[in-house]
Amino acid sequence: AQTVTQSQPEMSVQEAETVTLSCTYDTSESDYYLFWYKQPPSRQMILVIRQEAYKQQNATENRFSVNFQKAAKSFSLKISDSQLGDAAMYFCAYKTQGLSANSGYALNFGKGTSLLVTP
Amino acid sequence: DSGVTQTPKHLITATGQRVTLRCSPRSGDLSVYWYQQSLDQGLQFLIQYYNGEERAKGNILERFSAQQFPDLHSELNLSSLELGDSALYFCASSKGLAGVGTGELFFGEGSRLTVL
Repeated sequence: AQTVTQSQPEMSVQEAETVTLSCTYDTSESDYYLFWYKQPPSRQMILVIRQEAYKQQNATENRFSVNFQKAAKSFSLKISDSQLGDAAMYFCAYKTQGLSANSGYALNFGKGTSLLVTP
Repeated sequence: DSGVTQTPKHLITATGQRVTLRCSPRSGDLSVYWYQQSLDQGLQFLIQYYNGEERAKGNILERFSAQQFPDLHSELNLSSLELGDSALYFCASSKGLAGVGTGELFFGEGSRLTVL
């Protein structure tokens, strides 16, 4: 089974600064998707960014970008110009592939990194 | 608002009891997923349904069961509840199966279950 590891239980960043959250995963598949989800105190899971493994270019969404290192099985999230509203739990997730076109799939999540943003 | 609706938002019950959590997926989504989020375990995948049929199974206990109805809403039944079942239960939805689209899941706000 594919495992996702987030080695930083907590991180802290000052407002307007940049922070990088780490994620590594274990897989034998060559094609897959990776995601970062954000869970603010409201508990809602919100997609931040996604990356297709077959794309070499790192995904970017406004202040959020990833550093995808396929050979190293690493998928880190960089948040630039951090804002107070970025404070949340951040989960890295891997999309498993079904055994066939008719089989199901699920996202495997890491245990999360709690991000604190200080003024 | 993700478009996924979960009820109830909060539920308090006693050990040994049975509860049902309900989920309505986004309009047009055929797949429904159930996840359990405990304090120490992150999000654990329980089960996936696609158009009424079970398609993927995770670490779902035998005391738990789920189904998806013809109108695509889903219910998660939790029975013989134990203290350790206290958790946030998320429902998520997506359009298709493996290999269809990017696989992004849209999550509801969760149902907070407290077992006393």
